[in-house]
Amino acid sequence: DTEVTQTPKHLVMGMTNKKSLKCEQHMGHRAMYWYKQKAKKPPELMFVYSYEKLSINESVPSRFSPECPNSSLLNLHLHALQPEDSALYLCASSHQFAVAGTGRHEQYFGPGTRLTVT
Amino acid sequence: AQSVTQLDSQVPVFEEAPVELRCNYSSSVSVYLFWYVQYPNQGLQLLLKYLSGSTLVKGINGFEAEFNKSQTSFHLRKPSVHISDTAEYFCAVSPNNAGNMLTFGGGTRLMVKP
Repeated sequence: DTEVTQTPKHLVMGMTNKKSLKCEQHMGHRAMYWYKQKAKKPPELMFVYSYEKLSINESVPSRFSPECPNSSLLNLHLHALQPEDSALYLCASSHQFAVAGTGRHEQYFGPGTRLTVT
Repeated sequence: AQSVTQLDSQVPVFEEAPVELRCNYSSSVSVYLFWYVQYPNQGLQLLLKYLSGSTLVKGINGFEAEFNKSQTSFHLRKPSVHISDTAEYFCAVSPNNAGNMLTFGGGTRLMVKP
């Protein structure tokens, strides 16, 4: 099973709302990622978790708050977003993070959550 | 640091014709190379990868790619495309001394016409 699931599929929220995106994988991967993708652009890395600890934060505004409650789950909490935050949010996982020579370097992506901020 | 250039932002092609999507990269260290496909309103799906060994790599859906170290290229090819291949294709690299951080190219939109 190489599936990463994400919920919800679509989300519309106002600028004063608080919402959460969820991501789940059951491949035994110990690295999980959040990406933001604008239309006609490649994904941009936001956060990386390795063994449930935050390893990388790509200078993401604090209105985005990631959480990794266990090795299978990854959340992204959203608060006071701006219209320019509207995008496709992708979750990915990989066997490990930043460990050379394992031969399992690919990331597996979920279907994404289409977020619209009004 | 790494960078990836996909030379064509759009490639129109007729059904059953061959296609090549070009990818060039630069890096100060050796890299692993990947091609991902993204169908409309979906996530990214891994098409194929090059880690080591044979420079010709076969992937899913009849795609293949060839790693050329001297030209720092990893072009994607398919001998005969279908309408269903219409999608966005992303080339990506990760440094082989540090695991999984991906650097993506800008993407190539493959448009297959009947």
